[in-house]
Amino acid sequence: EAGVAQSPRYKIIEKRQSVAFWCNPISGHATLYWYQQILGQGPKLLIQFQNNGVVDDSQLPKDRFSAERLKGVDSTLKIQPAKLEDSAVYLCASSQVGDGSTGELFFGEGSRLTVL
Amino acid sequence: AQSVTQPDIHITVSEGASLELRCNYSYGATPYLFWYVQSPGQGLQLLLKYFSGDTLVQGIKGFEAEFKRSQSSFNLRKPSVHWSDAAEYFCAVSPSGTYKYIFGTGTRLKVLA
Repeated sequence: EAGVAQSPRYKIIEKRQSVAFWCNPISGHATLYWYQQILGQGPKLLIQFQNNGVVDDSQLPKDRFSAERLKGVDSTLKIQPAKLEDSAVYLCASSQVGDGSTGELFFGEGSRLTVL
Repeated sequence: AQSVTQPDIHITVSEGASLELRCNYSYGATPYLFWYVQSPGQGLQLLLKYFSGDTLVQGIKGFEAEFKRSQSSFNLRKPSVHWSDAAEYFCAVSPSGTYKYIFGTGTRLKVLA
């Protein structure tokens, strides 16, 4: 079974530039999450999708961050314009829901963003 | 508000020694409880989870955790640490049925040869 795929693994940009991260979840997983992990901290939820609908985006800085999950599969997280404090690892995770769900989150390897 | 506390930021143990990583949570009901491990440059991998039933749960790589309702704790243990266990460990909680996960700030484990 293929895992959660993310790209790019690393990205360096200057402040005020834009960046986009892509995530392909495990096949059949209805729920997809984007987490931000700043160095030395635990993952913080940015947005949670179920299929192609947003379940929770309360901690997403909507003035600069946007995310979409077209057709309920792949997802893209965009930052525009980037700030220095956006330097972090962006983790994508997916999980099953309902019958058969183990409640486990499956994570990708993350996309490390450095904003100069 | 729900929260997860991992009081130890760094822990150093010698190879072969026992290990206990602490986790306390704040939530009205018993949530689902998880421990994840993150090796450098990698995503998070599930070590073990507790949903209900037996309060001592076994996980991968020889880890176990004990849920103590009276203390709102879910501490992770390993009887004998291996050098390959050096990583960062995260405790997470999820209110049952919500599919929402809250992570602690992590404990970085260093293993001395």
